[in-house]
Formats: sequence, structure tokens, C-alpha cells
Amino acid sequence: NAGVTQTPKFQVLKTGQSMTLQCAQDMNHNSMYWYRQDPGMGLRLIYYSASEGTTDKGEVPNGYNVSRLNKREFSLRLESAAPSQTSVYFCASSEGAANTIYFGEGSWLTVV
Amino acid sequence: EDQVTQSPEALRLQEGESSSLNCSYTVSGLRGLFWYRQDPGKGPEFLFTLYSAGEEKEKERLKATLTKKESFLHITAPKPEDSATYLCAVHGGTSYGKLTFGQGTILTVHP
Repeated sequence: NAGVTQTPKFQVLKTGQSMTLQCAQDMNHNSMYWYRQDPGMGLRLIYYSASEGTTDKGEVPNGYNVSRLNKREFSLRLESAAPSQTSVYFCASSEGAANTIYFGEGSWLTVV
Repeated sequence: EDQVTQSPEALRLQEGESSSLNCSYTVSGLRGLFWYRQDPGKGPEFLFTLYSAGEEKEKERLKATLTKKESFLHITAPKPEDSATYLCAVHGGTSYGKLTFGQGTILTVHP
């Protein structure tokens, strides 16, 4: 059972470079999320997609864009990476907004 | 704004020494309180969802309880493999799909 799959697992970027984090879920969930986890800050929501075709900002959206490609896939793009975006990124999904959210294994991003 | 505070920040136990982790919360209209386990280098793993005060859920050595202001995660006779960070999160009525997480409790169980 794959659940929520994220790629890449690790990435090092130079300041100003762009990249896309990919996420796919095989649970037929309607809602998908991107969180970041930083020491002392806990997990914070970047963007979410309540259903296919919709996306909305979370708590910390600045510097990011997202695309809900289809029901299974939800990508996160950093257009011009900054050192402040060094973090662990988690993709997650749920059947609906009020349901349990399941997380992927994480993507470790370092911006130098 | 929803808020979650977990205590203690870190807890060291001997194998077999039962204890409890606390999660205090303030939220406008609780839609769910969630407990997750996170191992180093891994994503949060879902443990329990509690929806209303008085509700209890159990899984192996873990038992989660909920009141109107806090939740407890009771660990009975813990084993070293229970060592992990335990995260509490709430889903409030005004925050669509958004979980507010606490900082977590780092649990270490010594053999």
C-alpha cells in the first residue's frame, strides 16, 4: 500500500533556483495538502486542494505555487528558492476536509 | 485562532513505566482532535481521531482520551519501540481542512 508518495526525497538548491515537489496518492482521496515542518515551528499548512480543480492558501503560502494536476496528484513549486525555504515538506491527503489526514514520508529541501 | 500546546516537551521512561502525554487546545468548534506518531526521518503516522468530549480510543499500549479542553495519550507499559515524537493536532470549525499542530512530545523509552 503506497498511500501518499512524494518525490524527490532529498534536494539541494541554490538561492534563486526553481523546483517542483511531486506528490501522488492512491487512496482516491478528494483533498490534498502541502505542509512544511521546521524545528520549533511544528507543522504548518502551505496550500491545500479541497477537491480536484481547486486550490487555496494555507498559513504560509508566500514563495510557493501549487497545481492539482488531477485527483491523484498535487505538486508544489518553488519559483525562486530562498534559504528560508529550507525545510522538510510533507504532502498529505484526506477523503474530505473533516476526515483524517494521511501524510507522505517527506521531502528534505536545503537552499544554499 | 486555534491553538495547541503539548506537554511535556520531552519524556524519558523506563520500559514498563506507564505515563501520559498532554495536549491542551483552544478551538472554535472542534471538528476533530488527532494524534500522530512521528519517527525520525519519517512522516507523521496516524494513531487516533477523537471527535467529542468523553470519547476514548485504544490501540495496543496507547489510549487517547478527550475533554473539552485537553486530550491525553496514555502509554501503558511502554516498550523501547514506542520511542518517537507524538504530535497532537486539532481541526477547528472555521479552518477548512487545516490542522493546527502542537510542537510534539519526544518520548524515549529505555530498556
